[in-house]
Amino acid sequence: AQRVTQPEKLLSVFKGAPVELKCNYSYSGSPELFWYVQYSRQRLQLLLRHISRESIKGFTADLNKGETSFHLKKPFAQEEDSAMYYCALKAFRPENSNSGYALNFGKGTSLLVTP
Amino acid sequence: NAGVTQTPKFQVLKTGQSMTLQCAQDMNHEYMSWYRQDPGMGLRLIHYSVGAGITDQGEVPNGYNVSRSTTEDFPLRLLSAAPSQTSVYFCASSSGQGPQFFGPGTRLTVL
Repeated sequence: AQRVTQPEKLLSVFKGAPVELKCNYSYSGSPELFWYVQYSRQRLQLLLRHISRESIKGFTADLNKGETSFHLKKPFAQEEDSAMYYCALKAFRPENSNSGYALNFGKGTSLLVTP
Repeated sequence: NAGVTQTPKFQVLKTGQSMTLQCAQDMNHEYMSWYRQDPGMGLRLIHYSVGAGITDQGEVPNGYNVSRSTTEDFPLRLLSAAPSQTSVYFCASSSGQGPQFFGPGTRLTVL
């Protein structure tokens, strides 16, 4: 079964401290993973897509197939990073088709960066 | 481009009432979907569509209907609202395997 686990509901760090938001997944095939961010009462925005290997707003995430993880990291947190972060796994819809896909989301981690 | 738009932003219903949540996109995306967001649950897929005239159920479809008569629009209908449907509803669209774009959400309360 496909599953995304974000073990931390809430993560609080001080401004300038490193931050790591954890994401683990279970998937039998070759996974494609995403990080979405939702600022207070706003729409979800794509932050990272593992196949792009980009760094957005200073965040990076590396897919570790051995540990089935896709942790989100930033070396120096900023107050404007305070938001809800969702890790998501691509799930083909319909299954066995590449016409589209849905996202299996984790339950989210609320990041609070305090001054 | 307006992207993905949703109306209304807020809605309060009484148990048993019906209503339609609207979703539209102007990016000519084939794929559209509806999610609900509940505290501590993340987002869960309700229904999706891979193109005009084609819809299918997601993870939590009970109590909801959808139709896709045009590429642009993908309305979500609640036939008889229940308090368990109190949630924030997000519509999303994508082109094939491209990134999914989300609408601003509709916050629904069922009393």
